[in-house]
Amino acid sequence: NAGVTQTPKFQVLKTGQSMTLQCAQDMNHEYMSWYRQDPGMGLRLIHYSVGAGITDQGEVPNGYNVSRSTTEDFPLRLLSAAPSQTSVYFCASHSGRGNTEAFFGQGTRLTVV
Amino acid sequence: GNSVTQMEGPVTLSEEAFLTINCTYTATGYPSLFWYVQYPGEGLQLLLKATKADDKGSNKGFEATYRKETTSFHLEKGSVQVSDSAVYFCALSDRGGSNYKLTFGKGTLLTVNP
Repeated sequence: NAGVTQTPKFQVLKTGQSMTLQCAQDMNHEYMSWYRQDPGMGLRLIHYSVGAGITDQGEVPNGYNVSRSTTEDFPLRLLSAAPSQTSVYFCASHSGRGNTEAFFGQGTRLTVV
Repeated sequence: GNSVTQMEGPVTLSEEAFLTINCTYTATGYPSLFWYVQYPGEGLQLLLKATKADDKGSNKGFEATYRKETTSFHLEKGSVQVSDSAVYFCALSDRGGSNYKLTFGKGTLLTVNP
């Protein structure tokens, strides 16, 4: 099984550009989420989804959009990139039951110049 | 709200040393507790978990016990190896309502020297 697949692995953007980080899972998980990882900050939740058509904001949603048209895919859109969005982004999925394992993608390292 | 506090790193140990990484939590409900590990250049993966008080999670020689009275879930290993060098995250799940969110600590970088 592929698990959680994120693309791209690396990206450099100029300030003001937009882009979409892709995330796909093949485990039929209901729950998917996006985190950003910054030094000394741990992982912070950006947006999450509890099923197709349902999304909600996490801790740091500003500057990001998401949609969930299918169970498998959960793309993260940067509307107008800013240097403060330089980070490593992780997508995760799990079945939605509280004691089960979350599966993470390998991450996207984004640099905004 | 929920929060997780884990000891600040980095932690540097020699091979075969004893490891403890402290983790305490604040939760409104009765959470499940997890330790995730992140090896260099990779995503997080589950190391162990515990779902109720006094449960002990264990995997790859690592152990952690869910202590409700002290709201703690400390990670221990009796003899670390170079291959254990990684970032370790303590996390809890909020099982309130129909949602399930993970709250992470800030992570502890462990370096094990030969």
